[in-house]
Amino acid sequence: GAVVSQHPSRVICKSGTSVKIECRSLDFQATTMFWYRQFPKQSLMLMATSNEGSKATYEQGVEKDKFLINHASLTLSTLTVTSAHPEDSSFYICSARTAQETQYFGPGTRLLVL
Amino acid sequence: EDQVTQSPEALRLQEGESSSLNCSYTVSGLRGLFWYRQDPGKGPEFLFTLYSAGEEKEKERLKATLTKKESFLHITAPKPEDSATYLCAVHDSGAGSYQLTFGKGTKLSVIP
Repeated sequence: GAVVSQHPSRVICKSGTSVKIECRSLDFQATTMFWYRQFPKQSLMLMATSNEGSKATYEQGVEKDKFLINHASLTLSTLTVTSAHPEDSSFYICSARTAQETQYFGPGTRLLVL
Repeated sequence: EDQVTQSPEALRLQEGESSSLNCSYTVSGLRGLFWYRQDPGKGPEFLFTLYSAGEEKEKERLKATLTKKESFLHITAPKPEDSATYLCAVHDSGAGSYQLTFGKGTKLSVIP
């Protein structure tokens, strides 16, 4: 199956700082990647759709100025949480869509904002 | 609005005790139904894609089936390592950007 990586796997930061999370498709090219957020014992919540070479599409209620998404190449999308606050602490997961329209997920990034 | 309902929310099985997980869905047009497995603290792992009613797919002890209204994930003679949360998701042909709508998952525990 297709492989998607995320870096870092976990990060702890102080309130007010920015954190960048990288999502890479390792063995295929992905014109579309997705960013999800998952709270404990809940399912995945789609935050935004990232399209290579164009602006991301954000879901209702997700602040685009707070969660900056860049999809600069066919194998890399980044999510930057700007001016992070404790309420932004969560598990962030990315996925990449193959040409066969299957989404493969990364291992996730655990963010803790102190 | 797309809806995906999974049942039961949690399931405890003895090792070797076969059972089924259910995923009921409502979409305007099904482009694909996906099953994923998620272990605690990890991202979902892709299992199957089903595209049309009557389709079946198998992988080891897992078998996924699809009708026009629901999908089943059958687990035959489960082992403790099958313990995980199983997620069902649908891709609606009317939805943009290949978005998936996920159910809340079924947490499976297999007791030795």
